[in-house]
Amino acid sequence: DAGVTQSPTHLIKTRGQQVTLRCSPKSGHDTVSWYQQALGQGPQFIFQYYEEEERQRGNFPDRFSGHQFPNYSSELNVNALLLGDSALYLCASSLQGGETQYFGPGTRLLVL
Amino acid sequence: AQSVTQPDIHITVSEGASLELRCNYSYGATPYLFWYVQSPGQGLQLLLKYFSGDTLVQGIKGFEAEFKRSQSSFNLRKPSVHWSDAAEYFCAVGARNNNDMRFGAGTRLTVKP
Repeated sequence: DAGVTQSPTHLIKTRGQQVTLRCSPKSGHDTVSWYQQALGQGPQFIFQYYEEEERQRGNFPDRFSGHQFPNYSSELNVNALLLGDSALYLCASSLQGGETQYFGPGTRLLVL
Repeated sequence: AQSVTQPDIHITVSEGASLELRCNYSYGATPYLFWYVQSPGQGLQLLLKYFSGDTLVQGIKGFEAEFKRSQSSFNLRKPSVHWSDAAEYFCAVGARNNNDMRFGAGTRLTVKP
C-alpha cells in the first residue's frame, strides 16, 4: 500500500521564478491538503483540494495556487517566488469527511 | 479560532527515562487532536489521535496521550524513552472534514545516552 509521495525532494529556485510541486495521495484517498513548514516552525495550512476544486484556503496570497487531477493527485504552484517562500512543503491526503491526514516526505524549496 | 500551544521548545531526557510533552489547545467545539513525529528532513508520521470516547489513547511506538477537557490539554507520554525517539514532536488540532488543521510550533526531543 503506497503512502503519500511527493516530487521533487529538493528544489532550488531564484527570486521571481515559478515552481510546481507534485503530490500523489495514499491509495484510496480523495482529498489532498498542502502545508508550508518554515524552518523551526510547525506546518501551516495552505489549501485543500477535493473533487478537483479548492475547498478551503489558509492565509496565503494568490501567488500560491493548486490543482487536483481526476486521479486525485495534486500540484502546488507558487509564482513570483520570494526568499520567504523557502520552506518544506508537505502534502497530506485523507478521505473527504475523514479526520486523519497522512503526510508525505515533503519537498524542500530553497529560494535564492 | 483553533490554536495549539506547545510550551516546551526543547526537552532533553536520558534514555530509559519517562517523557511527557505538553500540548494546550484552543477550540470552540469538541476538538480532534493529533500528535505527529518528524525526524530530521522527513515528513510527519502520525503517532496517535483522539476524537471521542476514552480520554487515554494509545499510539504507535509505545506512546500514549491523555485528553483533559477541563485543562484544554492533550499531553503525550512515554514510560521509557529510546534513543530512536529523538525527533521533533507536533501537536495538532482539527475539525470534522479536517480542513485547516492547526499545528503547534513543535517540541524538539533530545535523548541522552
